[in-house]
Amino acid sequence: DAGVTQSPTHLIKTRGQQVTLRCSPISGHKSVSWYQQVLGQGPQFIFQYYEKEERGRGNFPDRFSARQFPNYSSELNVNALLLGDSALYLCASSLEVGVNEKLFFGSGTQLSVL
Amino acid sequence: EDQVTQSPEALRLQEGESSSLNCSYTVSGLRGLFWYRQDPGKGPEFLFTLYSAGEEKEKERLKATLTKKESFLHITAPKPEDSATYLCAVHDGGATNKLIFGTGTLLAVQP
Repeated sequence: DAGVTQSPTHLIKTRGQQVTLRCSPISGHKSVSWYQQVLGQGPQFIFQYYEKEERGRGNFPDRFSARQFPNYSSELNVNALLLGDSALYLCASSLEVGVNEKLFFGSGTQLSVL
Repeated sequence: EDQVTQSPEALRLQEGESSSLNCSYTVSGLRGLFWYRQDPGKGPEFLFTLYSAGEEKEKERLKATLTKKESFLHITAPKPEDSATYLCAVHDGGATNKLIFGTGTLLAVQP
């Protein structure tokens, strides 16, 4: 079975540009979460979507937005890129929402902002 | 504010040399403590979930334990393939899947 797939794997952008990252969850999983991982740090929660609705938002500026499609795949958009946005962006899927849910992470998209 | 602190930041072991990684947490009400393993260039891989003090879980050479203020990941007779970053996280207690992660322990096991 395919795990969580993310695209692209690597991306280089310049300051001020916009970027779209994509995620396909494990088949049957209805929830997708996005995390940002800066080098040497643990992942930080950005968004969670469940059944196409936003269920949670972390402490990130409005330049960050996301959406979930009817097939449960998801996109993360970041506008007006800053150097500090350089990080590994991780997508995680789960069957449902809740404390008992196990998150399955993809391999991430490595974003470099120059 | 919920907080997770892991120690040490890095640990180097000889193959077969057992040790423990520490995760201390400050949360208003623990609703799940998670251990993940992360290899370079990959996403975190789920290892364990613990819910209440006194709970223990094992998988191969790894055993996770939980007290009211901290969790330990014990590694018995490690092998080079156990080398990775081990991340600890707590559930934030809300109606989401939001996890609050520590900064991880980078484990290197030398043959």
